[in-house]
Amino acid sequence: SQTIHQWPATLVQPVGSPLSLECTVEGTSNPNLYWYRQAAGRGLQLLFYSVGIGQISSEVPQNLSASRPQDRQFILSSKKLLLSDSGFYLCAGGIGLSTDTQYFGPGTRLTVL
Amino acid sequence: AQKVTQAQTEISVVEKEDVTLDCVYETRDTTYYLFWYKQPPSGELVFLIRRNSFDEQNEISGRYSWNFQKSTSSFNFTITASQVVDSAVYFCALRSNFGNEKLTFGTGTRLTIIP
Repeated sequence: SQTIHQWPATLVQPVGSPLSLECTVEGTSNPNLYWYRQAAGRGLQLLFYSVGIGQISSEVPQNLSASRPQDRQFILSSKKLLLSDSGFYLCAGGIGLSTDTQYFGPGTRLTVL
Repeated sequence: AQKVTQAQTEISVVEKEDVTLDCVYETRDTTYYLFWYKQPPSGELVFLIRRNSFDEQNEISGRYSWNFQKSTSSFNFTITASQVVDSAVYFCALRSNFGNEKLTFGTGTRLTIIP
């Protein structure tokens, strides 16, 4: 089975500062990878997904970006954080194209002040 | 467009009672997957079940059971003899079997089991 790692677990950043959240996957190769955001008391919103190295699709236009420099590494970034970027960020990974189940990492709780 | 509705925002039951969490979905796809995830206070989403739209058999796993009814576009989740450890937010999700594999989540149901 695959394991999703995320760090940091919690982060407090000032408005306007940069952001880098990292997600790595163990136990599988060529996974589909996803970044979701969960605002306080809300459901999950898909931000980005990737089917391979260098291949990123964006679901929601915003000041965030994602990159996939290696097969099992997925990075979420921002050049300048906004207050509205606060939330719980979850990385997920799935195997295959038609039968995957997305397994989630432990998440990063981001507070922008 | 796909949509998942979990009308129950919060539910509280006394320990050992049975509880059912409702999930209604909308999709134009003829084939799709349905999921349930559990989010305990730690925040991590824990996968519980995946159901293919072709398979309408109900499933039971220990105290958990799922009732999939395609005719009413519902995929309800029942916990029998609830325990305090079942307290969590539960999410229902829908995924198309073609193209974009993204999950469309409901807004979740917060379940509290009272000891």
